Amino acid sequence: QVTLKESGPALVKPTQTLTLTCTFSGFSLNTTGMRVSWIRQPPGKALEWLARIDWDDDKFYSTSLKTRLTISKDTSKNQVVLTMTNMDPVDTATYYCARINGWEFREWFDPWGQGTLVTVSS
Amino acid sequence: SSELTQDPAVSVALGQTVRITCQGDSLRSFSSSWYQQKPGQAPILVIYDKNNRPSGIPDRFSGSTSGNTASLTITGAQAEDEADYYCKSRDSSGNHLGYVFGTGTKVTVL
Repeated sequence: QVTLKESGPALVKPTQTLTLTCTFSGFSLNTTGMRVSWIRQPPGKALEWLARIDWDDDKFYSTSLKTRLTISKDTSKNQVVLTMTNMDPVDTATYYCARINGWEFREWFDPWGQGTLVTVSS
Repeated sequence: SSELTQDPAVSVALGQTVRITCQGDSLRSFSSSWYQQKPGQAPILVIYDKNNRPSGIPDRFSGSTSGNTASLTITGAQAEDEADYYCKSRDSSGNHLGYVFGTGTKVTVL
């Protein structure tokens, strides 16, 4: 059974750097074809894709947030870490990680973690 | 980034059929998937690779694509289908290696 769970601070101050961890089980990011993404959702708003990391350490980012995001993996711990710099109140959202399945250009996200709410406020 | 546009809200009578649409240029080139999200919960996959259902998803859910429009149809809607639904595809604006979600549709079962 594949599961993912997000963890990190519930509250960060403006200008601080956010670090979130996605801990997963049921698969290995050492396995060819495995990929994990981060997605966020501001309260009452739509989903927004943030970043992706592949088994071969390829990394991809949202064009609008590219300069602020870094995604990395620790395969020994079965973890994917996302950092976002210069946090602003508009970054208040629930942050999800999800495994990517399928083939290039025909992917889907399944399963998703439960999400972690991050509030940006002074 | 490219956009995927959905109707904000639709309603359907219990047991009737509802179709949710998702429009965007990226759908002409890339596959789509659909996600159901109930209040306070994480999204779950209901349709992948245009028209495939994961195990555990009822067969009243189906997907299709024509041109720049992807559709999710619920045939015989049940009370438990009341939720927000999001489509997803690739970003066709130049950042082909990224993804884009639709604006979301709130489905109300009357």
